[in-house]
Amino acid sequence: DTGVSQDPRHKITKRGQNVTFRCDPISEHNRLYWYRQTLGQGPEFLTYFQNEAQLEKSRLLSDRFSAERPKGSFSTLEIQRTEQGDSAMYLCASSLDRQGQGYTFGSGTRLTVV
Amino acid sequence: QQQVKQSPQSLIVQKGGISIINCAYENTAFDYFPWYQQFPGKGPALLIAIRPDVSEKKEGRFTISFNKSAKQFSLHIMDSQPGDSATYFCAATQRSNDYKLSFGAGTTVTVRA
Repeated sequence: DTGVSQDPRHKITKRGQNVTFRCDPISEHNRLYWYRQTLGQGPEFLTYFQNEAQLEKSRLLSDRFSAERPKGSFSTLEIQRTEQGDSAMYLCASSLDRQGQGYTFGSGTRLTVV
Repeated sequence: QQQVKQSPQSLIVQKGGISIINCAYENTAFDYFPWYQQFPGKGPALLIAIRPDVSEKKEGRFTISFNKSAKQFSLHIMDSQPGDSATYFCAATQRSNDYKLSFGAGTTVTVRA
């Protein structure tokens, strides 16, 4: 297990289309986080899971966004009816329970909405 | 609102010099302060972190100084090398908030050879 894997690395989509991203966390990590990073800014928290349970969603996550983590393993983040403002890097991170120092980020999915 | 304020936005330092990045926070409930290093096209990677009961932590060429009363902390990169050229983010989090990270806006460090 070499770390957190995200797929795809890059996605270009037309406004109004739906997109889905996948994150594979480190296998023994039971917490999985999604963050969004826009150009020149730090990552912003979107949502997180403990095992398969989604524990919190940021107000940044509009109704067009949905995240799942079936069986507590990989996670998907779907954006419906994409808008140009959704263009950003979507980062996934995993950690072992409450070890705040145990965050490992993936390399992210760069979304461009044209 | 941004819970962690970071400065400067960018800095240029000569090889061998010292890079200093400053951060300030308001939420006194924060109990863990990590610094992340990010290279273009990569996710942030944990560099060094400190808890508020310690005033300084050093790992190799990287040192965090922490001032609890002023609610400020800083990263010092000693003997800066071209390979240190990256964007650095300070962050803050708390156990009671399940360690969700609040990031600063980032500092782009360029080390000139």
